Amino acid sequence: QSVLTQPPSVSGAPGQRVTISCTGSSSNLGAGYDVNWYRQLPGTAPKLLIYGNNNRPSGVPDRFSGSKSGTSASLAITGLQAEDEADYYCQSYDSSLSGWVFGGGTKVTVL
Amino acid sequence: QITLEESGPTLVKPTQTLTLTCTFSGFSLSTTAMGVGWIRQPPGKALEWLALIYWDDDKRFSPTLESRLSITKDTSKNQVVLTMTNMDPVDTATYYCAHRGQYCYDATCSLFFDYWGQGTLVTVSS
Repeated sequence: QSVLTQPPSVSGAPGQRVTISCTGSSSNLGAGYDVNWYRQLPGTAPKLLIYGNNNRPSGVPDRFSGSKSGTSASLAITGLQAEDEADYYCQSYDSSLSGWVFGGGTKVTVL
Repeated sequence: QITLEESGPTLVKPTQTLTLTCTFSGFSLSTTAMGVGWIRQPPGKALEWLALIYWDDDKRFSPTLESRLSITKDTSKNQVVLTMTNMDPVDTATYYCAHRGQYCYDATCSLFFDYWGQGTLVTVSS
């Protein structure tokens, strides 16, 4: 049972927009800690996709965007492409655990 | 350019101690604010943060595993070593080390892992 809750899967057709939710609690997202997002392609290490709620590292397309409000956050992918098929994880810091926490991951399928 | 690489045994027996080494380049763990963490991922499951060590030797551990973990650094060799005692088959996972990044604004800082090693699969089996 992950501290941050994500839907197990989302899907969309090429070109569509999909969103992935990440729900936390008063000791992580609700305490003001930022959310970060990672993308993991099959058989590879996770890669930072969004940091500080809505910032993209260099090289990440602007098709990816993040937002956070209260105890929830979301990742949006617009113009869905076949290469976006991957697992996506949200991550934050938890004050009651004094450590970093991840979501359970969401598998994105491009139909 | 920051790179990290994990090394260690691919197979350990139950009750044994696992020792993993993370060798990195492109930054120094003697520089203020630097940190290196360990994260694992059982096959087909989610990521789980294990431990982190800071430039000043401050150490943080996952509360659920703290009694079994230790983490040390060797700044002269650019290495971080994680040890986990009393290994069990449920500890079978890919173990990653990662550079802890931070983004500070408005008197707060986002903490994340911005560079990762390729991971090493550790199987626990007799």
